[in-house]
Amino acid sequence: TQLLEQSPQFLSIQEGENLTVYCNSSSVFSSLQWYRQEPGEGPVLLVTVVTGGEVKKLKRLTFQFGDARKDSSLHITAAQPGDTGLYLCAGGVGGSYIPTFGRGTSLIVHP
Amino acid sequence: DAGITQSPRHKVTETGTPVTLRCHQTENHRYMYWYRQDPGHGLRLIHYSYGVKDTDKGEVSDGYSVSRSKTEDFLLTLESATSSQTSVYFCAISGESVRNTIYFGEGSWLTVV
Repeated sequence: TQLLEQSPQFLSIQEGENLTVYCNSSSVFSSLQWYRQEPGEGPVLLVTVVTGGEVKKLKRLTFQFGDARKDSSLHITAAQPGDTGLYLCAGGVGGSYIPTFGRGTSLIVHP
Repeated sequence: DAGITQSPRHKVTETGTPVTLRCHQTENHRYMYWYRQDPGHGLRLIHYSYGVKDTDKGEVSDGYSVSRSKTEDFLLTLESATSSQTSVYFCAISGESVRNTIYFGEGSWLTVV
């Protein structure tokens, strides 16, 4: 059973388009992180959200944490080829400090 | 970049042979983790450690053992490698809070033939 569900699993878009990736759980997150992974490398942290309703922006990336801390989204505005990669959400679910990962969203942005 | 070094980075081994992957950190973080990453499954936790000689199983621990004799080193051993253990293995570290960032190593590619 996957504690963290990510959608969509795959996304192939053209440069300049907007997109949103979702991360959901039936349990409450203690905190949630978003990572980006490029081929042949380990995941790298993009952001951590801890407060219900929190919104964080990182240039063209906007991260939202649901009010009930059970879901999160990553929105990319005007995607660029450099955004191509695997986006992973991870967090401590149900009070656990052990990070659990979603299966990831594989994004390809075509020039 | 967090100081995490995995070795070896690439290895090909035969079925039935023992294999040990090493993770070394220079951050003095308490928690260390071993994950495997496979297509369609994402990152799955194998074992983790919350201190020297303190380890516990993750969701896919069968066929794997770990040891942590020093804060900085976390070893993952496949006692008798099988083809199903062909994967990319990532070591990760984190501090004591649930809000702490998880830092990953660069991965170890293991092929069991």
